[in-house]
Order: sequence, then structure tokens, then C-alpha cells
Amino acid sequence: GQNIDQPTEMTATEGAIVQINCTYQTSGFNGLFWYQQHAGEAPTFLSYNVLDGLEEKGRFSSFLSRSKGYSYLLLKELQMKDSASYLCAVSDSNYQLIWGAGTKLIIKP
Amino acid sequence: GAVVSQHPSRVICKSGTSVKIECRSLDFQATTMFWYRQFPKQSLMLMATSNEGSKATYEQGVEKDKFLINHASLTLSTLTVTSAHPEDSSFYICSATKLPGLAGGPENTQYFGPGTRLTVL
Repeated sequence: GQNIDQPTEMTATEGAIVQINCTYQTSGFNGLFWYQQHAGEAPTFLSYNVLDGLEEKGRFSSFLSRSKGYSYLLLKELQMKDSASYLCAVSDSNYQLIWGAGTKLIIKP
Repeated sequence: GAVVSQHPSRVICKSGTSVKIECRSLDFQATTMFWYRQFPKQSLMLMATSNEGSKATYEQGVEKDKFLINHASLTLSTLTVTSAHPEDSSFYICSATKLPGLAGGPENTQYFGPGTRLTVL
């Protein structure tokens, strides 16, 4: 079967760095997406990786290793507004998106 | 830009009634739109894929006669929950892609609407 694994919840301190991991097992691979979802709101797009390596966008970076079925989202200089759920989604061989359950990130002052 | 709106944002209805939710792409043409449902603390569950001018494709286990989807134009798709019951209470989210067809294709990012919280009494 197809499976996306993410930690359920993580806690970090304002100003610090946090890494949210995502491992996947899918039938084929056509890219991996990270979305941010604040409570009661719809997801917003953060990043897309299809090749191995690190993609940096300001305070957020996303890494992919296709051979390991692994990705992480790195958030630097954490701000209180970064408190949200972070969703990992993988596009499979049919270009269907398989969603992880999300990681709830709690930022403490 | 890529803005998607949904209306209403919140609706409370009695059991047995029907509820229509609208999803609009405001500044781009969306050949394909997607409808999701999300229960508390759970991931997004794709309900159906909607292409302009054709019948929606429903995911396994989703009743097409209960969740009616109409994609009448390149900027509007509607989801009607017919004969709603308390177990249909959920957060319904639509998304749209700028490119046709493949939701997870290269660079084919999904842009989400703000969601509609449905409560059926």
C-alpha cells in the first residue's frame, strides 16, 4: 500500500530551528509537496521537490532523497506565526497526491 | 497570483437538508478542481476531481449521488451535499490547478480555497 509518515506533533522554541521529517512508500514518484495549514484554515503551498537535494526559500528549506524515500522541511528563525500543521504530500505514478496526516508544530516563547 | 475562494465559510443545517458549496478561482482559469474533506486531526481526503464541462471523477467510497459536483465554468465548481446527516459534518476544502489534469504533476501546485466548515444538526 501507499504510505506517508510524519511525526504527529513537535514543539520548538521561538528563534530556533526545527526539522520536520517525512518518509514515504508510494507506487512511483513524481514529486513531493510541503504545505502549511493553520488551524481552521486551508493548506498553503510551501515547496515542491522532484530531484534530490535541498531547496531553499527564505526561512524554509526542503530536502529530498528519493533513494531513501525521505524528505524534511527545515524551518529557521522560528516565529510564533509558524505554529501550524505541516503536510507532506507525494505525487505517485498516476500523479495522484498521497497526503500525510500532518505534523502539528507548537512554538513556545 | 493564484487565489481560490469558497462560499460559504461556515454553514449549519438540519439533518435531511441539502447544502451547496461554491469554489471559485479568482485570478486564473482552473481546468481542474479538487474537493477534499478533512475530519479533525486527520489528513486531507480527496473526494473527487472535477474537470470543466465533464463529469467529476469520484474516489472510491465517495457516493456520487450524495456529493453532487458541477464544474460549469473554468472558474467555478460547486459541491452539493444532499440529504445531509450529522456524519457529513466536516471541513470541506476545494483546490484548483493552473494546468489541466494532473494534480501532482511537475510544478502543478494545488491552490486551496479557505474551506467550508459544515455542521449538520
